[in-house]
Amino acid sequence: EIVLTQSPGTLSLSPGERATLSCRASQSDSSTYLAWYQQKPGQAPRLLIYGASSRATGIPDRFSGSGSGTDFTLTISRLEPEDFAVYYCQYYGSSPRTFGPGTKIDIK
Amino acid sequence: QVQLQESGPGLVKPSETLSLTCTVSGGSISGYYWSWIRQPPGKGLEWIGYVYYSGSTNYNPSLKSRVTISVDTSKNQVSLKLSSVTAADTAVYYCARFRSPYYSSSPFDPWGQGTLVTVSS
Repeated sequence: EIVLTQSPGTLSLSPGERATLSCRASQSDSSTYLAWYQQKPGQAPRLLIYGASSRATGIPDRFSGSGSGTDFTLTISRLEPEDFAVYYCQYYGSSPRTFGPGTKIDIK
Repeated sequence: QVQLQESGPGLVKPSETLSLTCTVSGGSISGYYWSWIRQPPGKGLEWIGYVYYSGSTNYNPSLKSRVTISVDTSKNQVSLKLSSVTAADTAVYYCARFRSPYYSSSPFDPWGQGTLVTVSS
């Protein structure tokens, strides 16, 4: 089972700032089966990034993903008010599918 | 565009079986994998398992002994049964479709809105 660790647990930033979120996998399978989801209170998660760096349909280009192996990053270039939420990474290359514990971006 | 809607009892007694249905509209179940994910209040996401439209399944080992996921293509529905529930099974339960057809290594997109199930006597 691939265990995902996310850091930091909470990120306090202001609108317009850049956010950098980290996701580390316990082992590498040489794939990029890594996705990022955004979840707002009371809502279902929404797919942002898949294949480590591909944006899902309708996702603004201020969201970008990078990384491979065991280290992955989600970057939000300039935070908009609607971006303050919890972000989860997920490995989907094999079972069990696993999620990281999440990073919360809150308003500074 | 495809939409998913979970339904089922919001309250289940301890030791009983939790049963939920995910109704798919705006698209066909055929060709896709479908998954259930849950989220205890204030906590993170846990994958429960998935079913292919053909009926083949794959479950989280931590829940495998208690979980059954099935598909009814005639009704465009996916079902979840979780037996012998305890308070630890209290969560929002989501159904989700795999993003790409015919491909099991695919992220979840879209998701249903989720339904809260509370286990309590």
